[in-house]
Amino acid sequence: KAGVTQTPRYLIKTRGQQVTLSCSPISGHRSVSWYQQTPGQGLQFLFEYFSETQRNKGNFPGRFSGRQFSNSRSEMNVSTLELGDSALYLCASSLGTGEYGYTFGSGTRLTVV
Amino acid sequence: AQSVSQHNHHVILSEAASLELGCNYSYGGTVNLFWYVQYPGQHLQLLLKYFSGDPLVKGIKGFEAEFIKSKFSFNLRKPSVQWSDTAEYFCAVPDSGGYNKLIFGAGTRLAVHP
Repeated sequence: KAGVTQTPRYLIKTRGQQVTLSCSPISGHRSVSWYQQTPGQGLQFLFEYFSETQRNKGNFPGRFSGRQFSNSRSEMNVSTLELGDSALYLCASSLGTGEYGYTFGSGTRLTVV
Repeated sequence: AQSVSQHNHHVILSEAASLELGCNYSYGGTVNLFWYVQYPGQHLQLLLKYFSGDPLVKGIKGFEAEFIKSKFSFNLRKPSVQWSDTAEYFCAVPDSGGYNKLIFGAGTRLAVHP
């Protein structure tokens, strides 16, 4: 079965712009979580959506937002980009309960210049 | 809040050497534990997981981990590493208060030389 698909793979944006990243989970998975990965901070949880509802949120500013559609696909948006937002953004899908673990996508590499 | 510590940030081994990567977690309640691996240029993959039962967990590619509750540890082991094990390894535990919110350790970069 198809894995977790993230688009685009690479993005270059200018400070102050906004960006939208997309994630299509594994078929049948209703939970989508987003993580930011940077060399300095490692993997940090952004938020999780389950059945179109945000169930959990990490400690990121309000510029980071997300949503989930009825087909479980999810998008995350970052507004007013800052240089520090440059990172690998990872999407992970699961059946909905954390103990089963995630399947991660390959990520979107965002570079803010 | 839950936290995870990985003590070794960089490990360099020769092929056929044995591997043990340390992981300690802070939460004392019901514990689910994971090890993920990220090969160069690839996505994170689940190596193994512990929910309950036998504290010695077998994973993919010959990896295993032992859950020691008294030490709050979940160390990853492999008896004989290969060059293809060169990767970054992450220990993770679900946050005590959240659904599907994993707290990751800082990661250990393993380099295996032929």
